[in-house]
Amino acid sequence: KQEVTQIPAALSVPEGENLVLNCSFTDSAIYNLQWFRQDPGKGLTSLLLIQSSQREQTSGRLNASLDKSSGRSTLYIAASQPGDSATYLCAVRQGGSEKLVFGKGTKLTVNP
Amino acid sequence: GAVVSQHPSRVICKSGTSVKIECRSLDFQATTMFWYRQFPKQSLMLMATSNEGSKATYEQGVEKDKFLINHASLTLSTLTVTSAHPEDSSFYICSASRTSGGATDTQYFGPGTRLTVL
Repeated sequence: KQEVTQIPAALSVPEGENLVLNCSFTDSAIYNLQWFRQDPGKGLTSLLLIQSSQREQTSGRLNASLDKSSGRSTLYIAASQPGDSATYLCAVRQGGSEKLVFGKGTKLTVNP
Repeated sequence: GAVVSQHPSRVICKSGTSVKIECRSLDFQATTMFWYRQFPKQSLMLMATSNEGSKATYEQGVEKDKFLINHASLTLSTLTVTSAHPEDSSFYICSASRTSGGATDTQYFGPGTRLTVL
């Protein structure tokens, strides 16, 4: 059974810092991995999707990497801003399935 | 494109009543829709997967008779929480995916519905 773990559970940083969020998964037979952002009481916004054959994806100040063999992904946020404050969720899709398995998320607070 | 809406966004009901939540794909046809539940500070947990015109597939531990799912069209799925109890209070999120060229697209998520059962 796939399990997804995100570390740390919460993170507080001053504005302008570069930071890394971590995601690990137990079963490396994944189809893809996706990072989402969730604001309080809101739905999910997809940030980056990495296919199993890819190593990384970039969008603006965000960069996500994937090391499938070791079961790890990182989300790098450059020059953090208060507007980046949210919970970041990592989810993996298994090969041969449409199901997503989510981690519990990392709650990020960027202080002005 | 690929917008998913949910209605209502928030509902408060008395214990024992039934509540219906709608999930719509606004600008695409969703071959598959998913229903998730999220408790405070917890991850999203998949409750069931539904395909248009067929019965939903429920995850282990999810009561089929309590959480009724209807996927009547390619743009609408409904989740009915029957005889709701306070422990059913949660954030319910739907997602929708489409099949294109034989491959299933990514899931597009709705904004969620906050259910509070008194």
